[in-house]
Amino acid sequence: NAGVMQNPRHLVRRRGQEARLRCSPMKGHSHVYWYRQLPEEGLKFMVYLQKENIIDESGMPKERFSAEFPKEGPSILRIQQVVRGDSAAYFCASSPLGYGELFFGEGSRLTVL
Amino acid sequence: KNEVEQSPQNLTAQEGEFITINCSYSVGISALHWLQQHPGGGIVSLFMLSSGKKKHGRLIATINIQEKHSSLHITASHPRDSAVYICAAINGGATNKLIFGTGTLLAVQP
Repeated sequence: NAGVMQNPRHLVRRRGQEARLRCSPMKGHSHVYWYRQLPEEGLKFMVYLQKENIIDESGMPKERFSAEFPKEGPSILRIQQVVRGDSAAYFCASSPLGYGELFFGEGSRLTVL
Repeated sequence: KNEVEQSPQNLTAQEGEFITINCSYSVGISALHWLQQHPGGGIVSLFMLSSGKKKHGRLIATINIQEKHSSLHITASHPRDSAVYICAAINGGATNKLIFGTGTLLAVQP
């Protein structure tokens, strides 16, 4: 049973470009969380999704950021018109239930030039 | 002031020492995760606990919900334990919408 898979592991974008980060949860998990770790800062919750639904997006920046978890395929975190301040590690985690056991991916490290 | 505070921020130990990392929180919580992150690496959830004590190998975690405090202990520490340890609180509700501590960087020297 493969763990949580995130790709790409590393992504470099220039200011103004779009970044798409993908997360495939563990098999049988329908709950996905995204967290962001800014340089020299701690982790922060961004969004909680179930299949085809956004449950809680209270941690998402109001503009340029969006997330989805379609019926088929991975969850995607999309950042439009990236700025240098978006450079961070983005971690995805999945859970068999909405609460409790949590399994993290290796993270996607975004660098904005 | 962070809602979840950890101490110490940095810890250096000699191999074999008993290690304690503390976590205190100012919000009401229903449970708490202890996480391990190796430099440049991913994150592993070590424990989730809502009361009492849990043990896994050389790791022990305790929590006192009323006193708003949790501890992570490592017995017979080893250089491979060197990592950042993060406590993360579940702020009520039945989700993994976590509030993270700032982490404790542990270095175990041989």
